Amino acid sequence: DIQMTQSPSSLSASVGDRVTVTCRASLSIGSHLNWYQQKSGKAPKALIYAASALQSGVPSRFSGSGSGTDFTLTISNLQPEDFATYYCQQSYSTPWTFGQGTKVEIK
Amino acid sequence: EVQLVQSGAEVKKPGESLRISCKVSGYSFTTYWINWVRQMPGKGLEWIGRIDPRDSYTTYSPSFQGHVTISADGSINTAFLKWSSLQASDTAIYFCARRSDNWDFDYWGQGTLVTVSS
Repeated sequence: DIQMTQSPSSLSASVGDRVTVTCRASLSIGSHLNWYQQKSGKAPKALIYAASALQSGVPSRFSGSGSGTDFTLTISNLQPEDFATYYCQQSYSTPWTFGQGTKVEIK
Repeated sequence: EVQLVQSGAEVKKPGESLRISCKVSGYSFTTYWINWVRQMPGKGLEWIGRIDPRDSYTTYSPSFQGHVTISADGSINTAFLKWSSLQASDTAIYFCARRSDNWDFDYWGQGTLVTVSS
């Protein structure tokens, strides 16, 4: 199985901050990397696919980058509705695997 | 509008069987794979497996192979996740999700809470 490791596990930030979450794959997955946002008690929401492509309707303050084994999710100008847990997921090979999540909390 | 609507919360005893469902609407059921994802209390997301509704071909994570069964019924646009013998460790929220042409999970069900307790 491909292991996905996110860092940090949690972070505290203020509205307006720029936030970066890192995801590392245990082997090269090309650009087969997706990001999701999950708010408490809700289903995950797709944010970014193929490492850097924004899902329809997702605000442009979200961006993704990377390829191979190292990937980044960046939220610029953090908004109150962005406080949530973020997961990366590789779609390179089954079993598809998720990172352990990064919780973005209000400072 | 694409929708995945899951069956309601369940409370079961260890050893009992259970089947939960995911009914889709707003698109052709046979066009996209349906996946199942587990989230144990306070934990992250784990992919269980997927089904291609065109031919009911399934793939499972080794972690779940043999413990659950995924199926689909095209006549009612519904996918299922089934256990023949539940364990307390199966207590979790289970999500269904559609795999898009971009290989991500673009639409999700609302989740089904399964509680297994004696």
